[in-house]
Amino acid sequence: SQQGEEDPQALSIQEGENATMNCSYKTSINNLQWYRQNSGRGLVHLILIRSNEREKHSGRLRVTLDTSKKSSSLLITASRAADTASYFCATDSRSGKNYGQNFVFGPGTRLSVLP
Amino acid sequence: SQTIHQWPATLVQPVGSPLSLECTVEGTSNPNLYWYRQAAGRGLQLLFYSVGIGQISSEVPQNLSASRPQDRQFILSSKKLLLSDSGFYLCAWSVRTTGSNSPLHFGNGTRLTVT
Repeated sequence: SQQGEEDPQALSIQEGENATMNCSYKTSINNLQWYRQNSGRGLVHLILIRSNEREKHSGRLRVTLDTSKKSSSLLITASRAADTASYFCATDSRSGKNYGQNFVFGPGTRLSVLP
Repeated sequence: SQTIHQWPATLVQPVGSPLSLECTVEGTSNPNLYWYRQAAGRGLQLLFYSVGIGQISSEVPQNLSASRPQDRQFILSSKKLLLSDSGFYLCAWSVRTTGSNSPLHFGNGTRLTVT
């Protein structure tokens, strides 16, 4: 079953606005990561937040993690048309196998930034 | 710098035909290697992962198999394709660590259509 679930499934905003995407998960985690996927391409790692961290920034990206609520959010500020992509959260469950890594991806949020 | 190559980019194969997708990584040694499949508009499903030459773990029993003949080469195969094997196949690598704080680095994927 899916560990991470992104919300909303799709989001459409105007250029310059902020975009917020949420991710919920079910079991305890070691870390949570966000990835971006342009249409028809592979995923690109954006940011990793550890279970003992609450907030992390990278350029126009801000990620928060609330382990008590088992949720995370990705905020993209001052969005650009080039930010149009699908965004996925991935969790590495504490209950996952120790042999190799076992990331579980949610279904993603499709973000459209209109010029 | 590290790079990952995955080919072919697109493939159309008839039902019952064999499959071989190849992935190679450059610029790193002893990586963990992964094969994922992504259905349209969905998240990623882990198919296989490998922590070393000849060491393959299967996550989902199915019509596919994987092999790692060399440290930085990962091959996804099938003897007889099914219609349900259609999808977007992604190869990825990560640094082999004892912890889980290592992101995945993806290839650009192979779009497989079984007709």
